[in-house]
Amino acid sequence: DIQLTQSPSTLSASVGDRVTINCRASLSISPWVAWYQQKPGKAPKLLIYKASSLESGVPSRFSGSGSGTEFTLTIFSLQPDDFATYYCQQYNSYPYSFGQGTKLEIK
Amino acid sequence: QLQLQESGPRLVKPSETLSLTCAVSGGSISSTSFYWGWIRQPPGKGLEWVGTFYYSGSTYYNPSLKSRVTISVDTSKNQFSLTLRSVTAADTAVYYCARHNGGGGDFDFWGQGALVTVSS
Repeated sequence: DIQLTQSPSTLSASVGDRVTINCRASLSISPWVAWYQQKPGKAPKLLIYKASSLESGVPSRFSGSGSGTEFTLTIFSLQPDDFATYYCQQYNSYPYSFGQGTKLEIK
Repeated sequence: QLQLQESGPRLVKPSETLSLTCAVSGGSISSTSFYWGWIRQPPGKGLEWVGTFYYSGSTYYNPSLKSRVTISVDTSKNQFSLTLRSVTAADTAVYYCARHNGGGGDFDFWGQGALVTVSS
């Protein structure tokens, strides 16, 4: 099974900052990585698929990159609505798996 | 607009069977373009993929649950169901149904989720 490790687990930032969340896989999974945003009490929302493709309707300040086993979600110019928990997911092979999550908090 | 809605008992006793149904509107689960799945999230914890199916009958399950889980489909009602047998407190979670994005394994549409508690 493929394990995903996200870092950091918690991230404190301010409105306007640029932040980066990392996702490392135990095997090469390129490009089959997705990123989700989840707010308390809500279902996850797809932001990025196939490592770098922006889901329709998602603001362009969200960007995904990476290959092989290392992937990154970057949020350019944080907005108040962006404070949430973020998860990466691999769908290179079954069983599909998620990272443990990164909580983005207001500094 | 595609919508998914989970329904079913919210309280299940230990050793019994958890059953949830996902009703799909605004799209057909018989579409050849999409797979459908279940994901769960224990309170305060991360996401766990439970299983995926294709309307033709292909199913894929998380090995950690494989001996206890079944996903079934009712195309006449445009809904699919999750059955998890011999539950324990560790199965307490919010259960989400979701659609896979086109031919990929990511999930682009989600239900609102159903919190199922396993307790006597």
